[in-house]
Amino acid sequence: GAGVSQTPSNKVTEKGKYVELRCDPISGHTALYWYRQSLGQGPEFLIYFQGTGAADDSGLPNDRFFAVRPEGSVSTLKIQRTERGDSAVYLCASSGNRGDTQYFGPGTRLTVL
Amino acid sequence: LAKTTQPISMDSYEGQEVNITCSHNNIATNDYITWYQQFPSQGPRFIIQGYKTKVTNEVASLFIPADRKSSTLSLPRVSLSDTAVYYCLVGDRGKLIFGQGTELSVKP
Repeated sequence: GAGVSQTPSNKVTEKGKYVELRCDPISGHTALYWYRQSLGQGPEFLIYFQGTGAADDSGLPNDRFFAVRPEGSVSTLKIQRTERGDSAVYLCASSGNRGDTQYFGPGTRLTVL
Repeated sequence: LAKTTQPISMDSYEGQEVNITCSHNNIATNDYITWYQQFPSQGPRFIIQGYKTKVTNEVASLFIPADRKSSTLSLPRVSLSDTAVYYCLVGDRGKLIFGQGTELSVKP
């Protein structure tokens, strides 16, 4: 079956712009996670959704970052007033339920010029 | 959250068995030990998970001593395609906390 998909695969933007990154989880998975991975580092947790609600957003670095999952399926990570330090690969993962094996998408590579 | 320590890099040759050890001295009672594999430009991929003793699947084995303060991922007869970064994670299986991982290089 289809895995986790993320769009776009690459996004180049200018400092100060707004971006949206999309994640399509595996069908039926109730838990959805966003991570961010900088070059040479392991992924860093950002936020976790159980259904439509953000159950844990402790990893969001500041209020420029926001994520939604209005219908409990697709999720969008939104970054306002992007900064060069936001450049990274943004990974999305989903699992059947919290605690189940997480399946990762290929990521979106964000470059802020 | 328990912190993990694993070698930054390892080298091996095709056909050899590779053992990657991870230290997690302050693992909590409810914590599981999970290993992920990541290839360049891809998301991490689940390899194996365990709580204690030994777990084996079609890809790897995971050895966990009684005190659970360390664990060893064993990859039998590696091939060039096993060249990747391997992450050891300890936690309650929800929010995953990744370290820097071990970069395994398999040579012909």
